[in-house]
Parts: sequence; structure tokens; C-alpha cells
Amino acid sequence: NAGVTQTPKFQVLKTGQSMTLQCAQDMNHNSMYWYRQDPGMGLRLIYYSASEGTTDKGEVPNGYNVSRLNKREFSLRLESAAPSQTSVYFCASSEWLTERGPQHFGDGTRLSIL
Amino acid sequence: EDQVTQSPEALRLQEGESSSLNCSYTVSGLRGLFWYRQDPGKGPEFLFTLYSAGEEKEKERLKATLTKKESFLHITAPKPEDSATYLCAVHGAGNNRKLIWGLGTSLGVNP
Repeated sequence: NAGVTQTPKFQVLKTGQSMTLQCAQDMNHNSMYWYRQDPGMGLRLIYYSASEGTTDKGEVPNGYNVSRLNKREFSLRLESAAPSQTSVYFCASSEWLTERGPQHFGDGTRLSIL
Repeated sequence: EDQVTQSPEALRLQEGESSSLNCSYTVSGLRGLFWYRQDPGKGPEFLFTLYSAGEEKEKERLKATLTKKESFLHITAPKPEDSATYLCAVHGAGNNRKLIWGLGTSLGVNP
């Protein structure tokens, strides 16, 4: 069982470059999320998708865009990368956008912006 | 303001030495409290959900409990493979269904 798969696992970018982080889940979940995790800051929600066809801003959306491509896939795009976006990015999914069900996480993308 | 505080930040135990991790929360209308385990280089792995004060959940050497102000993760006779960071997160009525995360407790268990 793959669960939540994120690609790539590691990436180094130069300031101003763009890239897209990919996420796919095989659990038939309706809701998907993008987080960033930084030392001393904990997990912070960037964007989420309650269901296919919808996306909403989370706590720290500036500098990012997302696309819910279909029920399985949810991508995160950095249009013009900045050093402040150096972080570990996690994608997660849950059956529904509700407190009654846990979120399941991928193993992350480690992104460095030089 | 809704918030979650975990203590201690780090804890080192000897194998077999039982202890507890704490998650204190301030939230308007708790709808659910979640415990996760995170290994280095991996994503958080779901452990438990607790919904109301007095509720308890168990899994192997781990037991989670919940009061109106805090949750404890009790670790009984830990083994080295229990070494990880343990994260707590809460859903509150006013959070638009989003989780508020603590910073975690880093647990090391010596053989």
C-alpha cells in the first residue's frame, strides 16, 4: 500500500526558479493538504482541498499556488522561489475535511533555495 | 488564541523506563485531539484520535488519555524502536476544521 506519494524527495533551486511538487494518494480520500515543516515552527498549513475541484488557503499561502488535478493528485507550485521557502514540504490526505478522521502523510520533499 | 503546547521538548529514557508526554491545549470547543509519531526523514504517522474528556486509547506500549485541558501519551516499558518525535494536534470548533499542531516531543530510548 503506497498511501501518499510525494515527488521529488529532494530538490535544490536557485532564487527565482519555479518548480512543482507532486502528490498522489491511493486511499480514495476526498481531502488533501500541503504543509511545510520548519525547526521551531511546527507544521503549518499552506493550502488544502476539501474535495475534488475546490482549494482554499491555509495559514501560510503567500508565494504558493496549488492545483487539485483529480481526486488522487494535488500539486504545489512555487512560481518564483525565495530562500524563505527552504523547508520540508508534506502532503497529506484524509477521507473528508473533518475532525473525525485522521490525516495521512507522505514522506516529504526536502527543498533548498539558494 | 487557540494553541497547543507539548512538554518536554526532549526526553531520554532507558529501555524499560516508563514515562509520559504531555500535550496541553487551549481551543474553543475541542472537536478532536490527534497523536502522531514522526521518524527522522519521514512524514507523521497517525497513532490515535481522542474526542472527549475521559477517553483512552491504547496501542502496544502506548496509551493516550484526554482531559479538558491536556492529553498524555503514556509509554510503558519503552524499547529503542519507540525513539521518535511525537506530535500532538487539535481540531477546534473555531478553526474551520484545520489542525493546530504542537512542536513535538523528541523521545530517545537507550538500549
